[in-house]
Amino acid sequence: LAKTTQPISMDSYEGQEVNITCSHNNIATNDYITWYQQFPSQGPRFIIQGYKTKVTNEVASLFIPADRKSSTLSLPRVSLSDTAVYYCLVGDGNQGGKLIFGQGTELSVKP
Amino acid sequence: DAGVIQSPRHEVTEMGQEVTLRCKPISGHDYLFWYRQTMMRGLELLIYFNNNVPIDDSGMPEDRFSAKMPNASFSTLKIQPSEPRDSAVYFCASSLLQGGNQPQHFGDGTRLSIL
Repeated sequence: LAKTTQPISMDSYEGQEVNITCSHNNIATNDYITWYQQFPSQGPRFIIQGYKTKVTNEVASLFIPADRKSSTLSLPRVSLSDTAVYYCLVGDGNQGGKLIFGQGTELSVKP
Repeated sequence: DAGVIQSPRHEVTEMGQEVTLRCKPISGHDYLFWYRQTMMRGLELLIYFNNNVPIDDSGMPEDRFSAKMPNASFSTLKIQPSEPRDSAVYFCASSLLQGGNQPQHFGDGTRLSIL
């Protein structure tokens, strides 16, 4: 069963840039990579999505190398409110595109 | 847009009882997903529907679990009989298309406690 792999936790300070990497060795050819953010007692919330190279929106950037076997979510100048769990979501090429959430990265931003 | 609406937000019941969780997806979304979240196993996909038809229920843990989608605006996840190990947060999500090509929109979940 293919899986995504992320660091379990990361610590940062306000104002720093945070990069979270996800490994997904069996990503399907037509699948996109999507990152979600989850606060306690809330459902996951979409942050950014990409297929290859680089994608940027108002809250984050997503870097995807040519082989697409990994992706890196970049959060510029984090604040305390960015403390949350971040999930990487890709289709699993071994299961016909069935979605599997990564185990999530718990980001803690300190003052 | 109202977003995905789940009810109840919290449910506490005794083992052996029937539990029904409800979900109203975003209007116009073709796909509906049910997830379960626990500390031990994280977020697990239980089942998903396309145009009200169940497509993949391989994540449903046991026959005690069943899900229906009688129309485009309503879905239920039922556990009968419930057991303490079913305690978890259950999320419903909807999207325009299946897979990673379209974002899924999640509800705020139902926190289920089976005593």
